[in-house]
Amino acid sequence: GESVGLHLPTLSVQEGDNSIINCAYSNSASDYFIWYKQESGKGPQFIIDIRSNMDKRQGQRVTVLLNKTVKHLSLQIAATQPGDSAVYFCAETRFYNQGGKLIFGQGTELSVKP
Amino acid sequence: DVKVTQSSRYLVKRTGEKVFLECVQDMDHENMFWYRQDPGLGLRLIYFSYDVKMKEKGDIPEGYSVSREKKERFSLILESASTNQTSMYLCASSTSSRTGYEQYFGPGTRLTVT
Repeated sequence: GESVGLHLPTLSVQEGDNSIINCAYSNSASDYFIWYKQESGKGPQFIIDIRSNMDKRQGQRVTVLLNKTVKHLSLQIAATQPGDSAVYFCAETRFYNQGGKLIFGQGTELSVKP
Repeated sequence: DVKVTQSSRYLVKRTGEKVFLECVQDMDHENMFWYRQDPGLGLRLIYFSYDVKMKEKGDIPEGYSVSREKKERFSLILESASTNQTSMYLCASSTSSRTGYEQYFGPGTRLTVT
């Protein structure tokens, strides 16, 4: 399945499938990006980050891809599980900025069908 | 583990009341943030602080003020609560150690103003 950020804020996938959540970031000067997961009733939790000197970074079952040419970020979740159901936010910033302010995307809701 | 705690999970206040939301972090982080989260609008930054007694306006500071007298504590103040301030309020903290700008979030306070 694939989501295109603001235009398709809800993504529904079958358990076991791979999920791809997309994010178009706004500032070409941004050089640090983070993906957060927010479960219902909880605060956002860090999933994975990537700096602009990389195109790809892998974590446990998650991969983040960065395409600076088109200002696009994606989060891939392998073998999606019911526990992955949540809202996913991308965030961008310039790495050296006082205060560490992040700019968050609107979020995509991932729903996993058993 | 980093822990960010917020004084209340749920709060109900009347229009015109003064409201204090407290946030405490235990990781000696320099930066602290207050966001509000509303359906369809994502996370919006109200105020942030990168040092004790320092504060900076975020994107939607109107109707709010903040206080940071100690490094571990960041308070959000609604001087005269209004119904349009009914929302989920999230506090976050991060370090300025240049290892990354991951923000750690508290569980949130759901404020209802009647």
